[in-house]
Amino acid sequence: DGGITQSPKYLFRKEGQNVTLSCEQNLNHDAMYWYRQDPGQGLRLIYYSQIVNDFQKGDIAEGYSVSREKKESFPLTVTSAQKNPTAFYLCASSMGPVGIQYFGAGTRLSVL
Amino acid sequence: GIQVEQSPPDLILQEGANSTLRCNFSDSVNNLQWFHQNPWGQLINLFYIPSGTKQNGRLSATTVATERYSLLYISSSQTTDSGVYFCAVEGTGNQFYFGTGTSLTVIP
Repeated sequence: DGGITQSPKYLFRKEGQNVTLSCEQNLNHDAMYWYRQDPGQGLRLIYYSQIVNDFQKGDIAEGYSVSREKKESFPLTVTSAQKNPTAFYLCASSMGPVGIQYFGAGTRLSVL
Repeated sequence: GIQVEQSPPDLILQEGANSTLRCNFSDSVNNLQWFHQNPWGQLINLFYIPSGTKQNGRLSATTVATERYSLLYISSSQTTDSGVYFCAVEGTGNQFYFGTGTSLTVIP
């Protein structure tokens, strides 16, 4: 089945620890996105990538890092510099910059 | 960035009722999409509608780009329509901006 796979579904971070959220797509989409959703809020863009080996910061990139070494994969690292990481993280992809966005099932990150 | 406002923030309907959700945006957009988020957090695209009108079953959407708003119509609502409806727009720079959503509860 074609789609976007995020893992893990739940993740716990200890103080001072970096954690990496996985996002893989087999839709052959060029563009991929990471969003953060806080309770009762809309989605806010963290990073996006239109092509392999290139990515741009969104509105809330501080404390996060990404890589795009393969078209299918766009992992997000939540670094220790992100002081309030507890949130629901959603990955999306689209065929191009102006296209329908398809979302993964999300990862819920909590701090221990 | 582009400001996106959705109204109403909350809506409770009896099953079978109709409703209209509104999305206002502050600037010209290249892309506008409506999404439904189910109680488990999964977001599903409902419409890609930068302008004009589209229909899909009991749902339809209209975007008037020149007046910077979009409407989502839900007819004959069902309990499975419950969840949060988001409007998202894309301006220049390929960034998407989401509204804060309309939380819909359909009661039997």
